Amino acid sequence: SQQGEEDPQALSIQEGENATMNCSYKTSINNLQWYRQNSGRGLVHLILIRSNEREKHSGRLRVTLDTSKKSSSLLITASRAADTASYFCATMDSGGSNYKLTFGKGTLLTVNP
Amino acid sequence: GAGVSQSPSNKVTEKGKDVELRCDPISGHTALYWYRQSLGQGLEFLIYFQGNSAPDKSGLPSDRFSAERTGGSVSTLTIQRTQQEDSAVYLCASSLGRRGGEQFFGPGTRLTVL
Repeated sequence: SQQGEEDPQALSIQEGENATMNCSYKTSINNLQWYRQNSGRGLVHLILIRSNEREKHSGRLRVTLDTSKKSSSLLITASRAADTASYFCATMDSGGSNYKLTFGKGTLLTVNP
Repeated sequence: GAGVSQSPSNKVTEKGKDVELRCDPISGHTALYWYRQSLGQGLEFLIYFQGNSAPDKSGLPSDRFSAERTGGSVSTLTIQRTQQEDSAVYLCASSLGRRGGEQFFGPGTRLTVL
C-alpha cells in the first residue's frame, strides 16, 4: 500500500531553476529516503534523513523533515537537464518493520534546457 | 564492487506460463528485498530476506508467487501460472542488513504477460 503522497505529481522547470518536491506520510517513521528513477527502471538512492533530523544536505540536494506534520521536502538547486527523472520518497517505519520501504507515487521532474 | 544485478532485463511470457526472475545482490549484503512497480499500484514491497530466511513475505500478492535465497546470496522470484495483472517491473534491492539503512536497487526485470 502507498504510504506517502508526493506533491506535485509533475513539475516542469527551466535549467538553472530550483525544484521543490513535497512528500507526506501517515505513520511513525524511523527514516525517510528519497530516490530517483530514470526511464522507469532502477532506483538510485539520493539521501536518507532520520526521524531525529530536521534538515540534510548532499551536493545540490536539500531535504527537510517535519515529523509533527509528517512531511518532507526535497529541494534540487540549480537544476540541470540531467536531473530529469521521477523522484520518490520512501518511508521506513519505526518498530518491527524498520526494514521495508513504503513508497509514494512519485513526482515526475522535467528540466528543460 | 558491482551493484545489484538482475536477469533477465526483459521477459515476455504467455498467460499461464511460469517465470523465474533472478537477483544477484551486492557481495556481503545480508538483506535482500523484492519490490514490484506497476502502473496501477506504484512501488510495492513483496518480500524481505535476512540471510536465507524470509521473515516477511507479507507483500507477495498470491500463492502463485514464491521466492527463495540460497547461500545468503542469489535470490529467485518465481511466478507460477502468470496472469496479465502480473505485468510489472520487478525490482530487487540489497542492504548491509543493519535495519533502517540504505537499500541499493538493481535495474529491474520488466515482465510482460500476454
